[in-house]
Amino acid sequence: NAGVTQTPKFQVLKTGQSMTLQCAQDMNHEYMSWYRQDPGMGLRLIHYSVGAGITDQGEVPNGYNVSRSTTEDFPLRLLSAAPSQTSVYFCASSYSGAGAGNEKLFFGSGTQLSVL
Amino acid sequence: GQQLNQSPQSMFIQEGEDVSMNCTSSSIFNTWLWYKQDPGEGPVLLIALYKAGELTSNGRLTAQFGITRKDSFLNISASIPSDVGIYFCAGRGGSGNTGKLIFGQGTTLQVKP
Repeated sequence: NAGVTQTPKFQVLKTGQSMTLQCAQDMNHEYMSWYRQDPGMGLRLIHYSVGAGITDQGEVPNGYNVSRSTTEDFPLRLLSAAPSQTSVYFCASSYSGAGAGNEKLFFGSGTQLSVL
Repeated sequence: GQQLNQSPQSMFIQEGEDVSMNCTSSSIFNTWLWYKQDPGEGPVLLIALYKAGELTSNGRLTAQFGITRKDSFLNISASIPSDVGIYFCAGRGGSGNTGKLIFGQGTTLQVKP
């Protein structure tokens, strides 16, 4: 099983550029989410989705958009990249949209993003 | 908002030593979890705890859900080089299972062979 697949693995952007980080899971999970990891800050939730067609904001949503048109895919869009968005981004999924079980997250291997 | 304080921030130990780390919250949680992140990879779930006072083991790892529901502890016995990585605690509050998962800052563990 592929699990949670993130692409690209590495990306360098210039300030103001836009891009989409891709995330796909093949486990038929209802819940998908995006986190960013910064030194000393742990993992912070950006956006999440409890099912196709449903998205909501996490702790640090500004500057990011998401959509969930299918169960499998949950892309993260940076509309106008800023140096403060330099980080490692993780996509995670779990089998339950809400209720017991959605805390057991399966993570992708991450995207290292640098904004110059 | 809810915050988790994880300590220590980093540890450098000798192979064979035992390791202890903990996580404290400013508010009550109804679920505590411990994840491990290997270098260059995403975190992987180690242990999940759902009840105050619960003590759960996974091989050489043992985790406890604090009786006050505001803290959790992870112990690793007889450390080995592959224990190297970042360990994250995570907690969830709110009623039922609807609260968002909050992560601690992580504890970086290095093991000297």
